[in-house]
Amino acid sequence: NAGVTQTPKFQVLKTGQSMTLQCAQDMNHNSMYWYRQDPGMGLRLIYYSASEGTTDKGEVPNGYNVSRLNKREFSLRLESAAPSQTSVYFCASSETIAGGTHFGPGTRLTVL
Amino acid sequence: LAKTTQPISMDSYEGQEVNITCSHNNIATNDYITWYQQFPSQGPRFIIQGYKTKVTNEVASLFIPADRKSSTLSLPRVSLSDTAVYYCLVGDTGNQFYFGTGTSLTVIP
Repeated sequence: NAGVTQTPKFQVLKTGQSMTLQCAQDMNHNSMYWYRQDPGMGLRLIYYSASEGTTDKGEVPNGYNVSRLNKREFSLRLESAAPSQTSVYFCASSETIAGGTHFGPGTRLTVL
Repeated sequence: LAKTTQPISMDSYEGQEVNITCSHNNIATNDYITWYQQFPSQGPRFIIQGYKTKVTNEVASLFIPADRKSSTLSLPRVSLSDTAVYYCLVGDTGNQFYFGTGTSLTVIP
């Protein structure tokens, strides 16, 4: 049981480049999330998907798009990366409130 | 969304009990209170969750007064490995998203 997996672990982009962060969970959870965490800060929600086929904006959605490919996978795309998007990105999933939210190991993204 | 307020940082000696309090004055009837722990370079990890009164598991206890406007995470006999950031979240099943800045706990030998 791998839990929540994310790829890649590290990435360096130049301003204007695009990329997709991949996330998958094997816990059969309905809800999935993308957060970003800047140095010394708490996590901020970018987008979430309450169930397969639905996505909603979180606190900081600008500059990002998401795709809930199926129940297992939830990807985050940066169409034109900017230095302000340098951050650590965490994917997470949850089923019910009782079990809390399970987080992946994170992707460390640097935009030059 | 019910926002939370926590102390920015706390220090404690090894072996002591640590209590971290979180204020959530605007908590709604359907909201639960959940605490997470985060080590550097890792994602947050679920610690404990509660709705009212007291909840205890193998890691911590959570105390929630009758008015539910605050909650206290209690870590018994902390060790150096408990040095981490602790987040308090409030929300119902569909909207427990706001992490805030958390409380940075440093355990001193």
